[in-house]
Amino acid sequence: DTGVSQDPRHKITKRGQNVTFRCDPISEHNRLYWYRQTLGQGPEFLTYFQNEAQLEKSRLLSDRFSAERPKGSFSTLEIQRTEQGDSAMYLCASSNRLGRKETQYFGPGTRLLVL
Amino acid sequence: GQQVMQIPQYQHVQEGEDFTTYCNSSTTLSNIQWYKQRPGGHPVFLIQLVKSGEVKKQKRLTFQFGEAKKNSSLHITATQTTDVGTYFCADHSTGGGNKLTFGTGTQLKVEL
Repeated sequence: DTGVSQDPRHKITKRGQNVTFRCDPISEHNRLYWYRQTLGQGPEFLTYFQNEAQLEKSRLLSDRFSAERPKGSFSTLEIQRTEQGDSAMYLCASSNRLGRKETQYFGPGTRLLVL
Repeated sequence: GQQVMQIPQYQHVQEGEDFTTYCNSSTTLSNIQWYKQRPGGHPVFLIQLVKSGEVKKQKRLTFQFGEAKKNSSLHITATQTTDVGTYFCADHSTGGGNKLTFGTGTQLKVEL
């Protein structure tokens, strides 16, 4: 499978614990995005990397959230001191821009439940 | 900030009926993209519209971009049970961020 992969697919944690999610993009894609989706809503942008550089962060990304893409390949998203409001699906997407056209390919997501 | 709204929020149709979802933005859209998300699945890219007034077709799906680039629509002719899912429009920012700003989505259910 050459699509975007995410690990784990599901995570249940207790409030106050730290969690880390991993995203492996499509291999030739230099852009990587993180989104968060809550039930009944559309995905919301969190942050974006071009190669290893983090170029934009949403105001949704509080100081408890940190994302890295150390070698410009896979990325990790860490949430520290989780809160119940962090419960959501965390989606990763990757892309390569061709002119004005850019298709973002989404991974299956990591569903987080904070108890 | 930008708000991208879709109507209706839900739509139940009988198989064979047509379906339309409308996407409206509070600001001018850069490029509009449409995604489909099956229940329990992730968003899957359908199409991108770039030009004012653009119309594109994919089999039974017709996508339109408004003349003022502030709205878009997706029309499905003769729905099938495989069309079930939530349809999202998304503004693709072509500025520095390249992020997608998703609409609120329209959930489609198709009954036999």
